[in-house]
Amino acid sequence: EVQLVESGGGLVQPGGSLRLSCAASGFTFSSYWMSWVRQAPGKGLEWVANIKQDGSEKYYVDSVKGRFTISRDNAKNSLYLQMNSLRAEDTAVYYCARAVVVVAGGNWFDPWGQGTLVTVSS
Amino acid sequence: DIQMTQSPSTLSASVGDRVTITCRASQSISSWLAWYQQKPGKAPKLLIYKASSLESGVPSRFSGSGSGTEFTLTISSLQPDDFATYYCQQSRTFGQGTKVEIK
Repeated sequence: EVQLVESGGGLVQPGGSLRLSCAASGFTFSSYWMSWVRQAPGKGLEWVANIKQDGSEKYYVDSVKGRFTISRDNAKNSLYLQMNSLRAEDTAVYYCARAVVVVAGGNWFDPWGQGTLVTVSS
Repeated sequence: DIQMTQSPSTLSASVGDRVTITCRASQSISSWLAWYQQKPGKAPKLLIYKASSLESGVPSRFSGSGSGTEFTLTISSLQPDDFATYYCQQSRTFGQGTKVEIK
């Protein structure tokens, strides 16, 4: 069974840091782009970051550039999101998702982890 | 970036109704559109990819159509398990969501 399990969320003060992890199983992790997608309380879905299979390409939404770093360890089948200089507006459930990327130009996310809640508050 | 606009934002329907949700792209995206279902407190679930391809295990009452800039998700006969929020997605952009409520 393909499975993604996030961990590492919690309560952090503004300006603080947090590292999220996502453990993958049931598929060849090193063969897929991986992504983080977040959802603020009561709001819609927002893509946060992508990383290529070998980690050579990384992309971020403008609002987190310079503060968040996506990384992966293919030997451990794990995806990470290092979040620094956290702001109240980063409060959200963060989902890890496998990105199915088609060479012709499309992509979709499947499956998704259960999510981990990050709350930025003093 | 391409903008994705869903309509309506909320939809009230009864069990057995035919339901249609629309997603419009600000420029042509060919058929590169996916649809997701999300229930409260749960992760999104992929329903449709490449505009009209049904994900394995998804009931056949769900269907997707469209190309270019206009797309639709149709539920042919709404079931109690279908009351949820639906999102379209193209590349890194999601629509704002459509909540399907019980009428």
